[in-house]
Amino acid sequence: EVQLVESGGGLVQPGGSLRLSCAASGFTFSSYWMSWVRQAPGKGLEWVANIKQDGSEKYYVDSVKGRFTISRDNAKNSLYLQMNSLRAEDTAVYYCARAHMVRGVEYFDYWGQGTLVTVSS
Amino acid sequence: AIRMTQSPSSFSASTGDRVTITCRASQGISSYLAWYQQKPGKAPKLLIYAASTLQSGVPSRFSGSGSGTDFTLTISCLQSEDFATYYCQQYYSYPLTFGQGTKVEIK
Repeated sequence: EVQLVESGGGLVQPGGSLRLSCAASGFTFSSYWMSWVRQAPGKGLEWVANIKQDGSEKYYVDSVKGRFTISRDNAKNSLYLQMNSLRAEDTAVYYCARAHMVRGVEYFDYWGQGTLVTVSS
Repeated sequence: AIRMTQSPSSFSASTGDRVTITCRASQGISSYLAWYQQKPGKAPKLLIYAASTLQSGVPSRFSGSGSGTDFTLTISCLQSEDFATYYCQQYYSYPLTFGQGTKVEIK
């Protein structure tokens, strides 16, 4: 059974940093692109970033470029999101999602339960 | 970025109804469209990809159609467990974008 379990969310002040983790199991983690998708309270879904199987390619939505860094450790079956210079508008539930790639872009066939990040003073 | 617009944003329906949700892309995306279902406090669940292909395990009362810029998600006979919010997502180009969601409520 595919499982994705996020952790690391919490309350952080504007300008602060947070590192999210996603533990994967039930599939060959190193064979898949992985993504982070977020959802602000009461709002819709927003793709944040993704990373290739070996970490050699990464893509970000413009609003987080230069502030967020996606990474992975295939030996630990883990995905990460380092978030720096956090803003109030980054407040959201952050989901880890497995990507199903089609001609270089993806949809998401499995999702974690999410971890809440709140940016507030 | 490709803008995805869903309609309606919300509506009420009864168990047994046939319901249709529309998703329009701001430019052509061929059939690179997925649909997700999300229940309160839960993660989204993939229903349909490639505009009309049902994900394994999804009931056959769900169906999708369309290509280019206009797409629909149809639930042929609404069940109690189908009351949820539905999102479309284009995977034609980066950045990947979602519609704003359509909430299906109980009448």
